[in-house]
Amino acid sequence: GNSVTQMEGPVTLSEEAFLTINCTYTATGYPSLFWYVQYPGEGLQLLLKATKADDKGSNKGFEATYRKETTSFHLEKGSVQVSDSAVYFCALSDEGNKLVFGAGTILRVKS
Amino acid sequence: NAGVTQTPKFRILKIGQSMTLQCAQDMNHNYMYWYRQDPGMGLKLIYYSVGAGITDKGEVPNGYNVSRSTTEDFPLRLELAAPSQTSVYFCASSYPMTGANTEAFFGQGTRLTVV
Repeated sequence: GNSVTQMEGPVTLSEEAFLTINCTYTATGYPSLFWYVQYPGEGLQLLLKATKADDKGSNKGFEATYRKETTSFHLEKGSVQVSDSAVYFCALSDEGNKLVFGAGTILRVKS
Repeated sequence: NAGVTQTPKFRILKIGQSMTLQCAQDMNHNYMYWYRQDPGMGLKLIYYSVGAGITDKGEVPNGYNVSRSTTEDFPLRLELAAPSQTSVYFCASSYPMTGANTEAFFGQGTRLTVV
């Protein structure tokens, strides 16, 4: 079946450091790919998405590119802030729009 | 904009008790979902619905039931609570769009503890 694998955390960075969270997927067909973010005590919210190969999703300084050849959708940000501390989930949308999630990666940013 | 509303936010149940987790959305979305989030395990799909009167099992449906009598509401029922159902439950909704997949909107979650 479809699955998503993302790097284990927690990831701890200093403010203004470069962030990469790896995500790879296994899927039949051509799924859409998403990054969701969960701030403490809140539900998940969409951070960015890409619907086809080579698309780049971007939002709030975060970026991810849909790489079909490597089945990857890595999340990057050039300069993280303390306010970026959260749990980040990579996900794909299969037939029927059902979301399949990775395990989540905790990001902690220190000032 | 209310979005997706879940109640209650917290609940403690004794083993064998039953309860219903409520979920309502005001965005006229056709699709609704229930996920559970266990520590370090990501989110697992319990049940989903593609419209009023239509429901289907997800990855981990055992011990749960759902109904979808209206577009707005999608309650999740636990009949005989077990410690393994201790988790955080999220309801989500989305809508199908021809030729593209759309984002899902999530509620704030219900933290359930079974003791």
